[in-house]
Parts: sequence; structure tokens; C-alpha cells
Amino acid sequence: AQTVTQSQPEMSVQEAETVTLSCTYDTSESNYYLFWYKQPPSRQMILVIRQEAYKQQNATENRFSVNFQKAAKSFSLKISDSQLGDTAMYFCAFMKYNNNDMRFGAGTRLTVKP
Amino acid sequence: GAGVSQTPSNKVTEKGKYVELRCDPISGHTALYWYRQSLGQGPEFLIYFQGTGAADDSGLPNDRFFAVRPEGSVSTLKIQRTERGDSAVYLCASSLTGDVQFFGPGTRLTVL
Repeated sequence: AQTVTQSQPEMSVQEAETVTLSCTYDTSESNYYLFWYKQPPSRQMILVIRQEAYKQQNATENRFSVNFQKAAKSFSLKISDSQLGDTAMYFCAFMKYNNNDMRFGAGTRLTVKP
Repeated sequence: GAGVSQTPSNKVTEKGKYVELRCDPISGHTALYWYRQSLGQGPEFLIYFQGTGAADDSGLPNDRFFAVRPEGSVSTLKIQRTERGDSAVYLCASSLTGDVQFFGPGTRLTVL
């Protein structure tokens, strides 16, 4: 079974600074996807970034980037130039290739302070 | 609409009652998913539809839970004889490609 662990229940960062959220996972699969989703108080899960395990290059989306370490089974999210609108719960998720059962971590609550 | 919609936004019911939760996926998305999110937790997979059929219902907790998608678009999650432990946010997602899922705003179910 696949498990996803987010060891930081809460984090805070000053506006305009950089913050890194941690995620580790456990799997015996070699092909899979990893995701970071953001969930603001509105409850809607919003995809932040997606990584395919076979790609060595770390995914980047504007101010969001990941550090994907496949051997270490680590998938951290870096948010640069943090903005007040980044305040939300952030969930790391794992999905096996050709399988639709997405497994989520428990989440990290990020607060961006002015 | 452009995104996944779910109705109702909130539902309060009494223990033992029957409830239906509705999901309207993004137009053209053949894959549809239901998740349950308990307070302070990440979403947990319940069931996945490809078209009209349930391709994977391994996440349904027991036989009180059932979901349908009769025309391959709108889906309804049905919960019989609700229990207080069923209280959670029920999230629906849809996908065109099978890897990226787009979520709705969820239905918060409260069982008194």
C-alpha cells in the first residue's frame, strides 16, 4: 500500500519570503505521479504542481517548484515570494501510473503573514 | 459551468436518514471520483467511474454507501442509514486524461 507523510502540520512564512513544505511517500512502484494540491478555506482543491516519476527534471510552475528525490522518496514543495493568497492547506498526493486511486497526506497548514 | 460543481454545499441530517449528494463534472470528462475528507485529514478515495460504470469502488467503507452515474455525466453518492461518523466533506473530482483531477467545492455533511 502507498502512504504519504507530511510531517509539518503547520508552517508560517513572512510575505515575500520562501518556504518549503515536506512530503515523503512509500511505494514499491517505479511509475507514478506526485502532486501538490492547495485547499483554501473555500474547500476547493486546486492543483499546484504535478510531477511524473520517470522525469528527473523537477517540475516548476511560476513561484512553485518541487525537489523530487526519487531514491529518497521525497517530494518537497518550495514557494518563492510568498503571497497572502498562498495561505491554505497544502496536500501532497501520490497516484500509481494507470491507477486512479489518489492517496493524500494529512496536509500542512501554511499561513503567510504580512 | 467551467468547473466541477457539487450540490448541496451543506447538508444537515439526522442519524438514520438517507442522503444524496450530487456532482456535475466538467463537460467531456469521462472519469469521475468521489473522496471523503474528515476534519483535519486529507481526502480519502471512495469510488471511481469511467463513463457509466464504477471501475473501482474499493474505497466505499460499507454497503450503506452507493454511487451511480447513469448517463456518464452527473453522479450521485447515496448514503443510507446515516451515522454520526459519516459527517465529513465529500469531494468530487473529474478528469479527462486520468492523471490530473479537477475538484469541486465539496458537500459538507453533518449527521446529528
